[in-house]
Amino acid sequence: NAGVTQTPKFQVLKTGQSMTLQCAQDMNHEYMSWYRQDPGMGLRLIHYSVGAGITDQGEVPNGYNVSRSTTEDFPLRLLSAAPSQTSVYFCASRKRSPPQETQYFGPGTRLLVL
Amino acid sequence: AQSVTQLDSHVSVSEGTPVLLRCNYSSSYSPSLFWYVQHPNKGLQLLLKYTSAATLVKGINGFEAEFKKSETSFHLTKPSAHMSDAAEYFCVVSGSNDYKLSFGAGTTVTVRA
Repeated sequence: NAGVTQTPKFQVLKTGQSMTLQCAQDMNHEYMSWYRQDPGMGLRLIHYSVGAGITDQGEVPNGYNVSRSTTEDFPLRLLSAAPSQTSVYFCASRKRSPPQETQYFGPGTRLLVL
Repeated sequence: AQSVTQLDSHVSVSEGTPVLLRCNYSSSYSPSLFWYVQHPNKGLQLLLKYTSAATLVKGINGFEAEFKKSETSFHLTKPSAHMSDAAEYFCVVSGSNDYKLSFGAGTTVTVRA
């Protein structure tokens, strides 16, 4: 298994540009999520999905969109990038149950918005 | 709702000495608690997790943590630090009916030779 994969590893954007961060998992996990990591703040949940066709907002959803058309893929879209979105983004996945299941994280995407 | 407080933002130890990383949690439900480690420029790796079985949980690389409900704590320890333990550590909580994880702010561990 490749686990959770993310592309690209690193991206530089100009303010106002759009882009999609890709996330895929090959473990047949129902639950997938996106986090952003900023210094001194741990990881904060952006959006999550409990299955194909179902998404919901997390703690910091503004400026981001997601969709889940397949079990494997969960892309994160920035419609109009802002410098405040400079961060490291992690995708994660886990089995839906039991609730104590471990979340597996991808290697991250470093995003710099100028 | 649940939350986590990591009491130290930075811990510095000498190689071969014990490591203690402190974590307090708040949860309305019986919590699941996790410790993750992140080495520089890497993703997050699970060290260990508590899921209401034994209160003393053993993890990878010699780490262990003890769940103390009366103190709402889940401190992480290792008897003898190694240079490879230099990393950032996150204490994480999830509720019993919730897929969402709440992360602490992280503790950076430095190991001196």
